[in-house]
Order: sequence, then structure tokens, then C-alpha cells
Amino acid sequence: SSELTQDPAVSVALGQTVRITCQGDSLRSYYASWYQQKPGQAPVLVIYGKNNRPSGIPDRFSGSSSGNTASLTITGAQAEDEADYYCNSRDSSGNHADVVFGGGTKLTVL
Amino acid sequence: EVQLVQSGAEVKKPGESLKISCKGSGYSFTSYWIGWVRQMPGKGLEWMGIIYPGDSDTRYSPSFQGQVTISADKSISTAYLQWSSLKASDTAMYYCARPVHYGSEYYFDYWGQGTLVTVSS
Repeated sequence: SSELTQDPAVSVALGQTVRITCQGDSLRSYYASWYQQKPGQAPVLVIYGKNNRPSGIPDRFSGSSSGNTASLTITGAQAEDEADYYCNSRDSSGNHADVVFGGGTKLTVL
Repeated sequence: EVQLVQSGAEVKKPGESLKISCKGSGYSFTSYWIGWVRQMPGKGLEWMGIIYPGDSDTRYSPSFQGQVTISADKSISTAYLQWSSLKASDTAMYYCARPVHYGSEYYFDYWGQGTLVTVSS
């Protein structure tokens, strides 16, 4: 099955812009989805598809994709954005069993 | 309102069996797949497998095939994850989540609150 690679940790100054990336072959066939997980909480979907936000997700969160790399951008990071972020996609084989998560990126807001 | 509500935390001994649950509400339970995700302490999310409650079609990640059993009872809108013989390495938080597949989009729009399973002698 495919793998998705994320940087383990990223930091951003309060109010600045940060990009979190996710690389993998499956991203040539499927859009990545992105999840925010704060300590002690379940993951929350923040971006899906080409660049869609579920209801309630601030518009400072956006997504993009190029080739085998997907990116989650937070424009004007806030203290409450400090969390772990995971990307996810389905393997291009189309098998439901071949779903994969990235290893996660810990975002620190300075 | 769509909700996935999971059963409570469990503390078990190695070798014991366990079945945890995930009850869906606010949508047609038989029309959506339900998946299970493991998160070991301090680690990332791992895909375990998925079931379609409408016909009980079940698929497993190769990493979990033979290690767990996923099932569902559509009459009570509940999916299950079970172990026949727990190991200490099964200690983790387990989440159920509802996947949506539309063209080139695949994402989990709703998640359960998680069930913490602790296996210790």
C-alpha cells in the first residue's frame, strides 16, 4: 500500500502563515484530506477535496495540491491552531483497505 | 445531526476478549461505510479496516487482517471492533469514523469520540 510522508514538526509565529505538506504517490489520484487533532480529542476534518472546508472551519485554513504533494496552509495562525495535523488519502488501487494516513505534523504556534 | 458515539473505556488483561462499539445516528446507517482507526499512545493514526453495514462487506488493512474482527448490527445502527485475545500492544485509543468517497475525494467527515483500551496484567 501507499505511504504519506509529513514533516514531524513545524512552527509558526502567531499571525504568520504556515504550510504543512504531505507527499505520496496516491496523491496523484486522490485529493488529500486534512485533520486537526488537539490533545485528548478526536481528529476533526479541516480540509477535503480540492480545497473545501466543513462548516465551522475558519477560512484561514486552505488546501492545495501539485503532483504527489498536498499542502495545508494556515494564513494568520492563531494560538488555538496549535495541534497535530494529519493528511489522509485512499490508495490509487481503489481498495477500501488501502487507506493511509500520514505520520502527522505537530504544529507549534510561537 | 450526525453522531458516532462509542462505548466507554476498557481495562483488560492479556488474553482476554473484547468488543467495542460505535453507534451511528442522524443519518442512514446502512448507506455509509464505517471505518476504524487506531492511535497508540503518543503516536499517529493507523487505518484498521472498514465495514458497509448495508451488506456487511468488510475490508481490512493488511496490518490488521487476522488481528481484529469488524462487524455491524444494522438493526441497532452499531458497528463493532473485537479482539479474541488481547495483547499489551493493543493498548491504544480506537476511533470509528465515517468515510465519504466522491470521485477523487476520500475523507472522514464524522468521528466518534474514541474508546481507550488498556491491556495490562
